[in-house]
Amino acid sequence: GAVVSQHPSRVICKSGTSVKIECRSLDFQATTMFWYRQFPKQSLMLMATSNEGSKATYEQGVEKDKFLINHASLTLSTLTVTSAHPEDSSFYICSARSMLAGNYEQYFGPGTRLTVT
Amino acid sequence: AQSVAQPEDQVKVAEGNPLTVKCTYSVSGNPYLFWYVQYPNRGLQFLLKYITGDNLVKGSYGFEAEFNKSQTSFHLKKPSALVSDSALYFCAVRDMTGRRALTFGSGTRLQVQP
Repeated sequence: GAVVSQHPSRVICKSGTSVKIECRSLDFQATTMFWYRQFPKQSLMLMATSNEGSKATYEQGVEKDKFLINHASLTLSTLTVTSAHPEDSSFYICSARSMLAGNYEQYFGPGTRLTVT
Repeated sequence: AQSVAQPEDQVKVAEGNPLTVKCTYSVSGNPYLFWYVQYPNRGLQFLLKYITGDNLVKGSYGFEAEFNKSQTSFHLKKPSALVSDSALYFCAVRDMTGRRALTFGSGTRLQVQP
């Protein structure tokens, strides 16, 4: 149980275009989803926290107009990278937390590698 | 604020030898502590967690970790390393309120040599 999927796994786009990444909790309902970004050989940096039905909370330094997050249902969150630039190229990982009481874990998706040319 | 430190960028051990990957943390109140492993171009795989109870936590693939409150440490250990254990290991912490996401350490690359 507790599977999180991401789609697509890899995407290449041209500079200036927008890319949408989907994150789904397949067998549980996630009240909270998190989006992380990982540069090569570096750690995961939290970008934003989203709760179903409300606006995402962005970490300091993350542009909310550039990284649009929507958490419209208990099983789906999307991250849209708008007007992508080469410096946005990175590995994006989503994570979901169950709404079950006493559940302390975050379950991670397999990640999406974005390359902006 | 919560933070995690992994002081070693890389750890090298010979196959069959014991391994330790170090982690220290800082958090308000009691911590929830986790270890994850990441293989190249893959997401994170959960290894083990400490919430409460016994200080020695056993996890997947023969890994274990020891919670030491006085030293604020949560070192990952394995009695006998395998070449297939070679990967990137992340320690993570969260406070017990659960309001925040996991905060990750910088990662330690484990290399097990045949």
